[in-house]
Amino acid sequence: QQQVKQSPQSLIVQKGGIPIINCAYENTAFDYFPWYQQFPGKGPALLIAIRPDVSEKKEGRFTISFNKSAKQFSLHIMDSQPGDSATYFCAANRGSARQLTFGSGTQLTVLP
Amino acid sequence: NAGVTQTPKFQVLKTGQSMTLQCAQDMNHNSMYWYRQDPGMGLRLIYYSASEGTTDKGEVPNGYNVSRLNKREFSLRLESAAPSQTSVYFCASSQKGEFHFGPGTRLTVT
Repeated sequence: QQQVKQSPQSLIVQKGGIPIINCAYENTAFDYFPWYQQFPGKGPALLIAIRPDVSEKKEGRFTISFNKSAKQFSLHIMDSQPGDSATYFCAANRGSARQLTFGSGTQLTVLP
Repeated sequence: NAGVTQTPKFQVLKTGQSMTLQCAQDMNHNSMYWYRQDPGMGLRLIYYSASEGTTDKGEVPNGYNVSRLNKREFSLRLESAAPSQTSVYFCASSQKGEFHFGPGTRLTVT
């Protein structure tokens, strides 16, 4: 049972484009929604995270949009660069639990 | 400050062989985890340890055992490896909900 559904599976954009990755969750008890970035041969690294009391969070070129009523959240990458080419994972957690539930991942390629 | 370290980086096993994956963290985190990563399936939790001396099953625990040796170290053991356990294994630690992952162990079972 996949509690966090992520789309698309892969995404190709030109440099300067704005890739958008979407995630949907089922468990309304989730209260922490991080995004992880993973380069080939490396472990995932925390990129940005949001809690459901805000609808948007921006850190540099990365923005999370959060829609609590739709149980959806998305990652936008402004002015994307070839160095952003990586696999991106959304995840969700409940405050009382210590486990992260991950989406299936999106492989992003930014063409020069 | 190395963060989360894992050994070995690569391993090839024959079906039925056993091995232990080692993980250590130097961030004084209470919680530690073992995940496996398979194409198209994201990361799935195998076992976790909320604190020293405790361990709990995750989503896919069958075929694995764990030991929380002390606060720093959390090992994953495959008693009788199967081809279905071919995967990339990540150890992680967390404090206050923020997870830090190790570099991974790529395991192939033939």
